[in-house]
Amino acid sequence: NAGVTQTPKFQVLKTGQSMTLQCAQDMNHNSMYWYRQDPGMGLRLIYYSASEGTTDKGEVPNGYNVSRLNKREFSLRLESAAPSQTSVYFCASAPTGGSNQPQHFGDGTRLSIL
Amino acid sequence: AQSVTQLDSHVSVSEGTPVLLRCNYSSSYSPSLFWYVQHPNKGLQLLLKYTSAATLVKGINGFEAEFKKSETSFHLTKPSAHMSDAAEYFCVVSEDSNYQLIWGAGTKLIIKP
Repeated sequence: NAGVTQTPKFQVLKTGQSMTLQCAQDMNHNSMYWYRQDPGMGLRLIYYSASEGTTDKGEVPNGYNVSRLNKREFSLRLESAAPSQTSVYFCASAPTGGSNQPQHFGDGTRLSIL
Repeated sequence: AQSVTQLDSHVSVSEGTPVLLRCNYSSSYSPSLFWYVQHPNKGLQLLLKYTSAATLVKGINGFEAEFKKSETSFHLTKPSAHMSDAAEYFCVVSEDSNYQLIWGAGTKLIIKP
């Protein structure tokens, strides 16, 4: 019963390198989300996908792209990594995008950009 | 616009004493409210949620929260702290009008033996 699985768990990149963070859920959820978590701040939404085939920008989308590959998988891409993107990235999913739907989270990807 | 304020960045209590983590919110609509917990180097786990039913909400691990509309508060409490409660706690608000959750900055709960 895996829930939400993120890979990799840790990654170090050099400025300018590209990287794709992978996320998969096995709960048959329609909605998926990517957040970043920085010290002293709550989670901030980067992008979300309300359902398969749709994606929308969240609060902090600049420097990122996403792909909802199928119902299970939602990837986050950094095309040209910058030190400001050093953060912990969380993927989440929910049955639907309704406001009363709690989200289920992966364990996070810790990303450092040198 | 929605916002969430967690009034304390750190709370320190002794094991066996009550816990109070404070959260105030602002929302234009009827909000849904959540508390999540994050243990060190882990993902986030839902503790409890309020979605316009009973104003006193019971969650996992003995936690509960009371929705007070007049005070725009949703404080988290537990009668007796346990060492395993040491973690960071996040208050979250969501509105019917969109898919986005708005997160507070978090409160670190420290349990003294």
